Amino acid sequence: KNQVEQSPQSLIILEGKNCTLQCNYTVSPFSNLRWYKQDTGRGPVSLTIMTFSENTKSNGRYTATLDADTKQSSLHITASQLSDSASYICVVSFLSGAGSYQLTFGKGTKLSVIP
Amino acid sequence: NAGVTQTPKFQVLKTGQSMTLQCAQDMNHEYMSWYRQDPGMGLRLIHYSVGAGITDQGEVPNGYNVSRSTTEDFPLRLLSAAPSQTSVYFCASTSGRTFYNEQFFGPGTRLTVL
Repeated sequence: KNQVEQSPQSLIILEGKNCTLQCNYTVSPFSNLRWYKQDTGRGPVSLTIMTFSENTKSNGRYTATLDADTKQSSLHITASQLSDSASYICVVSFLSGAGSYQLTFGKGTKLSVIP
Repeated sequence: NAGVTQTPKFQVLKTGQSMTLQCAQDMNHEYMSWYRQDPGMGLRLIHYSVGAGITDQGEVPNGYNVSRSTTEDFPLRLLSAAPSQTSVYFCASTSGRTFYNEQFFGPGTRLTVL
C-alpha cells in the first residue's frame, strides 16, 4: 500500500533557529515528491516539487532534499521566522492504474516557531 | 486571478440533509479534485475530473457525487449527510495531467454534520 510517513509529528523551535523535517515513502511507481505548507485554516501551498533525478531544490529559506534510492526526503528551514509556524505536508505523486497521476499525502509535521 | 474559490467557508448540517459545496477556478485548469482532511490523517481524494464532462472516483467516494459541466466549476454534492462526513473539504486544480504540474488548493469548507 502506498504510504507517506512524516516525522516528527510536531516541533517547537525558537525564532531564528534552523530545523529539518523528515519524510519516508513507499509509493510506487514514484513520479515526484512535493512539500506543501499549510497555515491554520487555509489550503496547502506548494513549496517544492522534485522528480527522482533531482537531489535538492530550494525555495527561499526552504530547501528540500530527495534520496530516491532510500525513499527519503527532508525539508530544511533556515533562520526560522514566526510566519513559518504551520503544518508541512510531504506528498508523493504516482501513476495510478487508471493512467492518471494521483497524490498520496503524509499527515504533516506541525511546526511552531516561538519568539 | 482569484485562483481556486470555495463556498461556503463553514456549514452545519443535520444528519440526512443534502448540500452542495461549490468550487470554481479561473486559471483554465483541466484537472480538478476534491479532498477531505480529517484530524490525524493526510488529505484523501474523494473525486476528480480531468476535464469538462469527465469525472472519476478517488480513494473515498462513497456518499459524494460530482459533475463537471464547465471547465471552471466542480461542485461536490453530499446526498444524505452523515456525522462521518464531518471534515474540512478542499478543492484543488492543476493545469494538466502531466506529472510535474503544481496543484493549487482552495481555502477549504469546514463541514459539521450533527
